[in-house]
Amino acid sequence: GENVEQHPSTLSVQEGDSAVIKCTYSDSASNYFPWYKQELGKRPQLIIDIRSNVGEKKDQRIAVTLNKTAKHFSLHITETQPEDSAVYFCAASTVNTGRRALTFGSGTRLQVQP
Amino acid sequence: GAGVSQTPSNKVTEKGKYVELRCDPISGHTALYWYRQSLGQGPEFLIYFQGTGAADDSGLPNDRFFAVRPEGSVSTLKIQRTERGDSAVYLCASSPSPGGPSDTQYFGPGTRLTVL
Repeated sequence: GENVEQHPSTLSVQEGDSAVIKCTYSDSASNYFPWYKQELGKRPQLIIDIRSNVGEKKDQRIAVTLNKTAKHFSLHITETQPEDSAVYFCAASTVNTGRRALTFGSGTRLQVQP
Repeated sequence: GAGVSQTPSNKVTEKGKYVELRCDPISGHTALYWYRQSLGQGPEFLIYFQGTGAADDSGLPNDRFFAVRPEGSVSTLKIQRTERGDSAVYLCASSPSPGGPSDTQYFGPGTRLTVL
């Protein structure tokens, strides 16, 4: 089955700096890669996603890049703010056909220092 | 509109007891998923429903775990003979019809299960 690895496990940045979180996946059939933000005691919330037919997607301060050949994808947050502090999870799945369930990485705890 | 809801928000039970956890998906969403999240970990898949049927139950850890969705909307996750290792947050998610414009899974707030 699919295996998703995520690095780093913790990340501390100064407000205004950029943050990058990286994930690798094992199943070449995976074609959908969402990123979720989870604040303490709250539900995971989708912040951005990308499909395998696209190499990059951007939404304001957040961007995701995908390298299908190398089977890795990354989350980029620019101009970080204290409210970006949370745990971020990457995930992978095969939509439309095959296993639709998400396989999650182990999470990255991002702390933005004011 | 209303998001995914789950009840109860917290459940404390004793080892060996039976528990039921309920999920109300977003109206109109045909796909429903159950995940389990242990402290400091990412959610782990348990079971996926498309309509009333379980399309993929490969994540259920053993036969003590069972889930139903009899009318294609509300789902109940049932755990028999609970063990301390079952303690976790149980998350439910729903998504629109497969093959549609969105594959986003929307999560509920979870049920925190504690087995004493």
